[in-house]
Amino acid sequence: SQTIHQWPATLVQPVGSPLSLECTVEGTSNPNLYWYRQAAGRGLQLLFYSVGIGQISSEVPQNLSASRPQDRQFILSSKKLLLSDSGFYLCAWSVRGQGIPPLHFGNGTRLTVT
Amino acid sequence: SQQGEEDPQALSIQEGENATMNCSYKTSINNLQWYRQNSGRGLVHLILIRSNEREKHSGRLRVTLDTSKKSSSLLITASRAADTASYFCATTFSGNTPLVFGKGTRLSVIA
Repeated sequence: SQTIHQWPATLVQPVGSPLSLECTVEGTSNPNLYWYRQAAGRGLQLLFYSVGIGQISSEVPQNLSASRPQDRQFILSSKKLLLSDSGFYLCAWSVRGQGIPPLHFGNGTRLTVT
Repeated sequence: SQQGEEDPQALSIQEGENATMNCSYKTSINNLQWYRQNSGRGLVHLILIRSNEREKHSGRLRVTLDTSKKSSSLLITASRAADTASYFCATTFSGNTPLVFGKGTRLSVIA
């Protein structure tokens, strides 16, 4: 069966520090991968998605970046965190193909920038 | 901007009652999906309804879709305390673009 791992579960970082969140998927090949952010009491904001290794689409211009060094690995990074980067970050995967398949989410990373 | 908007924002009911949540969207869709999120956890996919379907059932869940009104509803029958969660609808602006989520409905089921 497919599983998605996301870590760390919680993170407290000072303003101006770097960030690296990692997400890996097991049990499937060639998945589409996604990073969403959820602010308190808000819906999910799509940050990045990837349909293949090295292929990253950015939905929202900001100081975050994403990389996909391997087929089932998706990394969210920042060189210098801002207070506004605080939130709940969710990684998700879906099968690749026609239509809009369901997303499968990790358990998220709660990031607090102080 | 959200493609789907859920209504109400919050809903509190007694155990055993039915819960109905609504979702409105703006553009033509390929399909519409409903997700559930327990507090502090990731979202879990509940049900997908295609644009050519009008109603779909899964256990105690019933989803309807009215493409003429660009709206969908999620009905949870005989609710349980364990149904307490936030519920989101999701769809796309066009084609194969990624899912866009609404702000969700927070459901509280009181035992």
